[in-house]
Amino acid sequence: EVQLVESGGGLVQPGGSLRLSCAASGFSFSSYSMNWVRQPLGKGLEWVSYINSDNDTIYYADSVKGRFTISRDNAKNSLYLQMNSLRDEDTAVYYCARTRWYIGSPYFDNWGQGTLVTVSS
Amino acid sequence: SSELTQDPAVSVALGQTVRITCQGDSLRSYYASWYQQKPGQAPVLVIYGQNNRPSGIPDRFSDSSSGNTASLTITGAQAEDEADYYCNSRDSSGNHLVFGGGTKLTVL
Repeated sequence: EVQLVESGGGLVQPGGSLRLSCAASGFSFSSYSMNWVRQPLGKGLEWVSYINSDNDTIYYADSVKGRFTISRDNAKNSLYLQMNSLRDEDTAVYYCARTRWYIGSPYFDNWGQGTLVTVSS
Repeated sequence: SSELTQDPAVSVALGQTVRITCQGDSLRSYYASWYQQKPGQAPVLVIYGQNNRPSGIPDRFSDSSSGNTASLTITGAQAEDEADYYCNSRDSSGNHLVFGGGTKLTVL
């Protein structure tokens, strides 16, 4: 069974940093691209960042570029999101999601349960 | 602002058919995928590519596309289908992914 378990969320002050982790199990993690997606409470989904299986293709949403860094450790079956210079508007539930491709079009076939990040003074 | 546009809310009578649409220029080049999200839960993939359903998704869920519009159709909506639905695809640049704003489906 595919499992994705996020951790590392919590309360942080504006301007602070936080590192999220996503532990993967039940599949060959090193073979799959991964994404972070976030959702402010009561609002819609927002794509945050993408990393391919080989760690050599990375994309970021404009809203986080320059502040967030996605990475992965295939030996540890883990995905990470380093979040710096956090802002109030980064407050959200953060999900990791396994990505697959259909003729160049992405889809997220498995999601974690999410971890809540709250940015507040 | 999202490059994929969805109606904020749609309603359907129990057992009837409803269509949820997603519009965006990138849909002329890429397929949409669709996600169902119930309160307090993570999103669940319901459709991807050319009308492909993951295992466990009922066949009352289907999709189609024309031009810049992708549509998720639920034929014979059930009470358990009441949820938020999101479309997703690549944006026009190809190196960003994007979600629609979501459609809240109410089953009457």
